[in-house]
Amino acid sequence: KAGVTQTPRYLIKTRGQQVTLSCSPISGHRSVSWYQQTPGQGLQFLFEYFSETQRNKGNFPGRFSGRQFSNSRSEMNVSTLELGDSALYLCASSPGTGAHYEQYFGPGTRLTVT
Amino acid sequence: AQSVTQLDSQVPVFEEAPVELRCNYSSSVSVYLFWYVQYPNQGLQLLLKYLSGSTLVESINGFEAEFNKSQTSFHLRKPSVHISDTAEYFCAVSVFYNNNDMRFGAGTRLTVKP
Repeated sequence: KAGVTQTPRYLIKTRGQQVTLSCSPISGHRSVSWYQQTPGQGLQFLFEYFSETQRNKGNFPGRFSGRQFSNSRSEMNVSTLELGDSALYLCASSPGTGAHYEQYFGPGTRLTVT
Repeated sequence: AQSVTQLDSQVPVFEEAPVELRCNYSSSVSVYLFWYVQYPNQGLQLLLKYLSGSTLVESINGFEAEFNKSQTSFHLRKPSVHISDTAEYFCAVSVFYNNNDMRFGAGTRLTVKP
């Protein structure tokens, strides 16, 4: 099976712009979670989608949003970009939702905000 | 809320030496514990996990971790490391059986020297 794919891999945006990142989960996986990784804050949970519904959300402002499509592909959107949004954004998919399911991570999208 | 502390940000060791990466967690309820590894420019890969049962869990590449409830620890060990084990290691905790909200430690960079 193909792994989790994320597009684009690298992105450069300027402050105030908005950005959309895409994640294609492993075939058959219905849960997609998003994480932000920065040198200062480490890995932080953004949100999880399961069967097109947001299951849980981390402590991020409303500028961060996401959605999941019927084929389980997911997108996350960040509006009004700030310099502090520069990070590696990781997507993870799993067959279901819950700690007993292994999460498979994609390579990430590196977002640089200038 | 649950949290994770990885006590060492960097651990340099020589090849074939033993290594221990320390992880302590904080939670008021039962936890599920994980170790992930991240190689340069890649996403995270699950090394091992503790959900229930035997407190000693092993990975296929020689790592093991022991869940110690009284000390709230989940240290990762390997008796003899290889150059290829050089990577960033993350300890993570979840308290939910029905969603994928995981909290990660800050990471420990393991560098294996020849």
